[in-house]
Amino acid sequence: ETGVTQTPRHLVMGMTNKKSLKCEQHLGHNAMYWYKQSAKKPLELMFVYSLEERVENNSVPSRFSPECPNSSHLFLHLHTLQPEDSALYLCASSQVVRGGTDTQYFGPGTRLTVL
Amino acid sequence: SQQGEEDPQALSIQEGENATMNCSYKTSINNLQWYRQNSGRGLVHLILIRSNEREKHSGRLRVTLDTSKKSSSLLITASRAADTASYFCATDNQAGTALIFGKGTTLSVSS
Repeated sequence: ETGVTQTPRHLVMGMTNKKSLKCEQHLGHNAMYWYKQSAKKPLELMFVYSLEERVENNSVPSRFSPECPNSSHLFLHLHTLQPEDSALYLCASSQVVRGGTDTQYFGPGTRLTVL
Repeated sequence: SQQGEEDPQALSIQEGENATMNCSYKTSINNLQWYRQNSGRGLVHLILIRSNEREKHSGRLRVTLDTSKKSSSLLITASRAADTASYFCATDNQAGTALIFGKGTTLSVSS
């Protein structure tokens, strides 16, 4: 148990559906992240929120929409996804520090399948 | 991009043997981290080594860092079947706002 929870753990959706992934951290951290992990590819950073402001968006398609209402919660809203978006979506949190990126704590992930 | 590259991609050993994984990166770093991932699960932080450190230990793990060669190694001693997992190195992105992960080394330990 890392202190980061994600729901749902598994999600199957059609290309026309709208769904949301939820992440919650209980560690008092001030930064949260969304990563995408596809088979045989490195983890891809999608979004970074630091102090509740989005600081990084790695050219992610607009069908993925993040929301960070407070430092403990992070959402990823999904709409009109494509089958190639099927992947494991991982949330992480950390404490922003000077001198580099500190340890990140990951949730268990949401396994997304787009039909 | 400042991506770590692990080597080898896959490693199979017997229980009790040592496992060594290597990571190379491209630009200067503040720190380098190693993570472990069991199949289909989240990543778990193993160890962080700062750029001014050369070696760090944690239990059966030993990490070295050579900033002149831009490389790091992770040694797992006396491996166990439970060490079977994927291992990733990660470095800061240039803005210092996030980590960039390599593709990982898949370790299989058989009993």
